[in-house]
Amino acid sequence: DQQVKQNSPSLSVQEGRISILNCDYTNSMFDYFLWYKKYPAEGPTFLISISSIKDKNEDGRFTVFLNKSAKHLSLHIVPSQPGDSAVYFCAANGRRRTSYDKVIFGPGTSLSVIP
Amino acid sequence: DSGVTQTPKHLITATGQRVTLRCSPRSGDLSVYWYQQSLDQGLQFLIQYYNGEERAKGNILERFSAQQFPDLHSELNLSSLELGDSALYFCASSARQSSGNTIYFGEGSWLTVV
Repeated sequence: DQQVKQNSPSLSVQEGRISILNCDYTNSMFDYFLWYKKYPAEGPTFLISISSIKDKNEDGRFTVFLNKSAKHLSLHIVPSQPGDSAVYFCAANGRRRTSYDKVIFGPGTSLSVIP
Repeated sequence: DSGVTQTPKHLITATGQRVTLRCSPRSGDLSVYWYQQSLDQGLQFLIQYYNGEERAKGNILERFSAQQFPDLHSELNLSSLELGDSALYFCASSARQSSGNTIYFGEGSWLTVV
């Protein structure tokens, strides 16, 4: 049973436009969410995170939105650049001292930014 | 550079063999995590250690085991290897137990079982 879902395996966006990557989770015990970016044959690199007490967090071109009632989060990249082409993983972390206190990753979305 | 070091970077071995993957966490980090990424698959959580003790277990096979040593480095032992064990194995670390923490990944160890 996949607890963190990224239903779009791939996404193509024109350079300069907005990229929106979506993520859904199933368990209300998750209270901290992270986005990672991964290039082929490299380790994932941390992009941005958000705590469940917030509904938005922004860092430069990257903004993460969290809708707790819908158990949905999204990553917005504006403007998109060719160097953003990578696989993006959504991850969720559960509450401390529960069985969900571990970081669970979604299957990833491959973003292609077309020049 | 995340500060997490994994060795070896590449490893080719035969079915039935045993290998050990090594991970040095970022300086000061107490938690170590192991993940497996097979071809076209996402990141599968295997196991987590915190300050030498097993903290959480994921989809780790019984043929696999791990430990974290007093100097906080960790090893993942894979035995009776099968072709399907070929994957990229990532180690990650964080300062504390995972809740509310950002974890940082190493570059991975490529294991090919032939």
